Amino acid sequence: GQNIDQPTEMTATEGAIVQINCTYQTSGFNGLFWYQQHAGEAPTFLSYNVLDGLEEKGRFSSFLSRSKGYSYLLLKELQMKDSASYLCAVIRDYKLSFGAGTTVTVRA
Amino acid sequence: KAGVTQTPRYLIKTRGQQVTLSCSPISGHRSVSWYQQTPGQGLQFLFEYFSETQRNKGNFPGRFSGRQFSNSRSEMNVSTLELGDSALYLCASSLDSDEAFFGQGTRLTVV
Repeated sequence: GQNIDQPTEMTATEGAIVQINCTYQTSGFNGLFWYQQHAGEAPTFLSYNVLDGLEEKGRFSSFLSRSKGYSYLLLKELQMKDSASYLCAVIRDYKLSFGAGTTVTVRA
Repeated sequence: KAGVTQTPRYLIKTRGQQVTLSCSPISGHRSVSWYQQTPGQGLQFLFEYFSETQRNKGNFPGRFSGRQFSNSRSEMNVSTLELGDSALYLCASSLDSDEAFFGQGTRLTVV
């Protein structure tokens, strides 16, 4: 497989911050995606990182370190609607491979 | 700007039948990729097309095939359906394997 690893579950309180880590094999790496998927729905695009560094989009930020094969998705000011599965995916040779997803539960 | 459109949304087929699913990408997008999502296996890559050429394919049997037309619309076909083919089939479009956006999917049930 592509050995894309991310935690299975995370729980946080409304208003808090949660960081979802993702590690992957670095060979042939072209870019890394983060998607959000609510139960019964299609994945929604959150971010696409190609170069090292942090990219911020509102309450969501994504970080990439190509040399370390590491990325994280940072969710700030958590809201109840952020309860969902977060998928890390790596693209190599036009093929997008997904991790198993991290289920984030936001509690009041 | 319309998003990725997949038809049909839901489908019920019997074992042994064949099925064709359709995906219309976002206007201007030339790359279309297909995925199978099941509770046990997660999201699995099926194949990717760009300008009518398949550039990569996943580890699925030959019963799974696809094609892309000159207007970038894509179809995937599954022949000789098996119960295990029941899944959500998703397609995603992008300009060229960059920011990829998913359609709502086709939920296939094989009985």
